[in-house]
Amino acid sequence: SAVISQKPSRDICQRGTSLTIQCQVDSQVTMMFWYRQQPGQSLTLIATANQGSEATYESGFVIDKFPISRPNLTFSTLTVSNMSPEDSSIYLCSVDGMGGSNEQFFGPGTRLTVL
Amino acid sequence: QKEVEQNSGPLSVPEGAIASLNCTYSDRGSQSFFWYRQYSGKSPELIMFIYSNGDKEDGRFTAQLNKASQYVSLLIRDSQPSDSATYLCAVKTGGFKTIFGAGTRLFVKA
Repeated sequence: SAVISQKPSRDICQRGTSLTIQCQVDSQVTMMFWYRQQPGQSLTLIATANQGSEATYESGFVIDKFPISRPNLTFSTLTVSNMSPEDSSIYLCSVDGMGGSNEQFFGPGTRLTVL
Repeated sequence: QKEVEQNSGPLSVPEGAIASLNCTYSDRGSQSFFWYRQYSGKSPELIMFIYSNGDKEDGRFTAQLNKASQYVSLLIRDSQPSDSATYLCAVKTGGFKTIFGAGTRLFVKA
């Protein structure tokens, strides 16, 4: 299994500001995934981050709003830019299992509240 | 049409009963099927996966897959109050992306 940490665990931000969320994995992984989970909702994939290439965004998510960095095989950041109250959500970092297993492991999440 | 559909619940069962959770998916090319459990305020954690038609048992949990009907289910035997959580059905196609259902909230009454 993979051990994933995220920082910050929670934050309260003002409208119009930006927040960068960090994700650290204890082993090297090819792909890292960023999800959003709005209150009472399921997980929505924002983008997939590969090391050495631009992130691939899902429909409804754009790089200007959610820029992603992937500088190495164990680390990624997601920035939520120009925030509005609609961005209030839990943001989760995830990786695929090691050794070819298909399951996903999730970080503890970052709970974001935008006022 | 949603890609992965679940009844949002809540599903309420008495302690010791069998809880039955259901899920349907739209992509016939889907190859891997998962059930995750998510406690309130926590991240999802995998409890079962299944790749082939039929049943797969792991302790009190049984996953059932019917690809012809595009249907996945999870049975929890001898339900305990600690099983109270949201259960997410998830599906992977031939690629790397996992699609999650909206989740079913389960309450096990002591």
